Amino acid sequence: SQTIHQWPATLVQPVGSPLSLECTVEGTSNPNLYWYRQAAGRGLQLLFYSVGIGQISSEVPQNLSASRPQDRQFILSSKKLLLSDSGFYLCAWSVGPYQETQYFGPGTRLLVL
Amino acid sequence: GNSVTQMEGPVTLSEEAFLTINCTYTATGYPSLFWYVQYPGEGLQLLLKATKADDKGSNKGFEATYRKETTSFHLEKGSVQVSDSAVYFCALSDLNRGSTLGRLYFGRGTQLTVWP
Repeated sequence: SQTIHQWPATLVQPVGSPLSLECTVEGTSNPNLYWYRQAAGRGLQLLFYSVGIGQISSEVPQNLSASRPQDRQFILSSKKLLLSDSGFYLCAWSVGPYQETQYFGPGTRLLVL
Repeated sequence: GNSVTQMEGPVTLSEEAFLTINCTYTATGYPSLFWYVQYPGEGLQLLLKATKADDKGSNKGFEATYRKETTSFHLEKGSVQVSDSAVYFCALSDLNRGSTLGRLYFGRGTQLTVWP
């Protein structure tokens, strides 16, 4: 069966510091991968998605970036964190074209101070 | 554009009460509709889905019917339990827009608290 991992689970970072969040999927090949952010009291916002290695699409311009160095690995990064980057970051996957159901990881809670 | 509107929470119920969480949507074409649930401190879990008009999704006693005429997908459960306390998200997929990759558009979520 497929599983999705995210780490770290919780992170406290100072403003201006770099960020790297990792997401890996097991048990499937060539998944579509997604990064969402859930800010306090708000819904989920799609940040990036990827249909394959090295292929990244950005939904919202910001100081975050994403990379997909391996088929089942998706990384969310920032060179300098802002206070507004605080939130709950969720990775999700789906399989193949025309497969619209997405499955979510456990999330990373980021607090920028 | 695509958007989802959910009833504002929080919703507080006693155990065994009837639950309704309203969800309406705006979309071009014929989206698929989803309910996800988020338990405290966890990620989202797919609760149920419906892919075309008049379909009923169901799981764990929860049900929702895809109503094209009212553009709604209300979540219902006849008898809630304390363990149902969570945040519930309504979402739509724009896969039918002609692309091969569906984006999910989420409502803001509704917090449900069930007291014993």
